[in-house]
Amino acid sequence: AQSVTQPDIHITVSEGASLELRCNYSYGATPYLFWYVQSPGQGLQLLLKYFSGDTLVQGIKGFEAEFKRSQSSFNLRKPSVHWSDAAEYFCAVGVVGNEKLTFGTGTRLTIIP
Amino acid sequence: DVKVTQSSRYLVKRTGEKVFLECVQDMDHENMFWYRQDPGLGLRLIYFSYDVKMKEKGDIPEGYSVSREKKERFSLILESASTNQTSMYLCASSSATTAPGKLFFGSGTQLSVL
Repeated sequence: AQSVTQPDIHITVSEGASLELRCNYSYGATPYLFWYVQSPGQGLQLLLKYFSGDTLVQGIKGFEAEFKRSQSSFNLRKPSVHWSDAAEYFCAVGVVGNEKLTFGTGTRLTIIP
Repeated sequence: DVKVTQSSRYLVKRTGEKVFLECVQDMDHENMFWYRQDPGLGLRLIYFSYDVKMKEKGDIPEGYSVSREKKERFSLILESASTNQTSMYLCASSSATTAPGKLFFGSGTQLSVL
């Protein structure tokens, strides 16, 4: 079975600074990988996804993520964060032919002025 | 935009009560999901439905059942609520054909069982 690890429970970043959120997955074949964001009091929204092809994927709100097979990682990045990026971020893994996703435990992002 | 609507934002029930959580989606999606979200545990799948009257157990189905009589509606049922079922419940839907893995979530129901 597939699994996802988000090693950082909480990250604090200054507004305008760069951001990297870590995600490691475990799965025998090439997985589908996703990042979702949950703003306070809201459901989750898809930021970006990787299925195949280019290992650097662009998403909404200026986010990008890079799939590194050798490291089993799919880290999320943003060059300059905004106060509105404060939220909880979830990495998820899926497999071909199966609609069920496995989510990580989440990383809560705090932005300081 | 796809809309996934959960009937209640907050719900307070007593131990032993039968609880219904309702979810409706308006985009004709084949797939619907119920997750529970707990601090430090992330989202865990309770049940999944890929068609009307079809369902599959997720990772934590114990104590729950589901019903999908119409394509747009997916209900989660707690037959006899217990305090360890106090949690945030999230419903989601997705299309099996147009965007695999892209889930659309409702805003959640915070259930407290006293």
